[in-house]
Amino acid sequence: EADIYQTPRYLVIGTGKKITLECSQTMGHDKMYWYQQDPGMELHLIHYSYGVNSTEKGDLSSESTVSRIRTEHFPLTLESARPSHTSQYLCASSAFRAGQETQYFGPGTRLLVL
Amino acid sequence: QKEVEQDPGPLSVPEGAIVSLNCTYSNSAFQYFMWYRQYSRKGPELLMYTYSSGNKEDGRFTAQVDKSSKYISLFIRDSQPSDSATYLCAMSMEYGNKLVFGAGTILRVKS
Repeated sequence: EADIYQTPRYLVIGTGKKITLECSQTMGHDKMYWYQQDPGMELHLIHYSYGVNSTEKGDLSSESTVSRIRTEHFPLTLESARPSHTSQYLCASSAFRAGQETQYFGPGTRLLVL
Repeated sequence: QKEVEQDPGPLSVPEGAIVSLNCTYSNSAFQYFMWYRQYSRKGPELLMYTYSSGNKEDGRFTAQVDKSSKYISLFIRDSQPSDSATYLCAMSMEYGNKLVFGAGTILRVKS
């Protein structure tokens, strides 16, 4: 089982609040990702990082921001939560082994903004 | 039009059946193809990884890629109730490049 952790697992919060979703991995992976997943829909990449102090926006426009100050930690922040941010957020890290890249996913954070 | 199309299901089969899960895609530049399994309330986990066209087998699972038809498949033999999950296909254009996911097919294996 992958050593990638996300907290909180579930969050219900009111509109306008600032929230930070935590993601950490103990595998020493350089590459990390944040995806958004809605029921019956594709995973959409919203942010990724190739290492410390490297962050890039993904394919899906997002009002969230990320930081990568330490290799093992990749938090995602929403400055002012809105109902449209209600979704599941999945964090992943990846490693290259035996000619393939494997992305390891955390269990996800289910966010509900009222 | 979505880059990757996947029938959402649910697909219900009896225990022991052979299951076929499929994805079609539109971008011929995709070279690397993956299948992920996602149990309820968990993150996806990698099941199969293939490069270009051909077959790859791992236990009860076989991944098949037909680049000429832009079609990939995952076959599960002797399906078990523990195989009940959502199966996501994913693909990328280059090694280590960003993944494009299908929406997933829900599979239910009845005992």
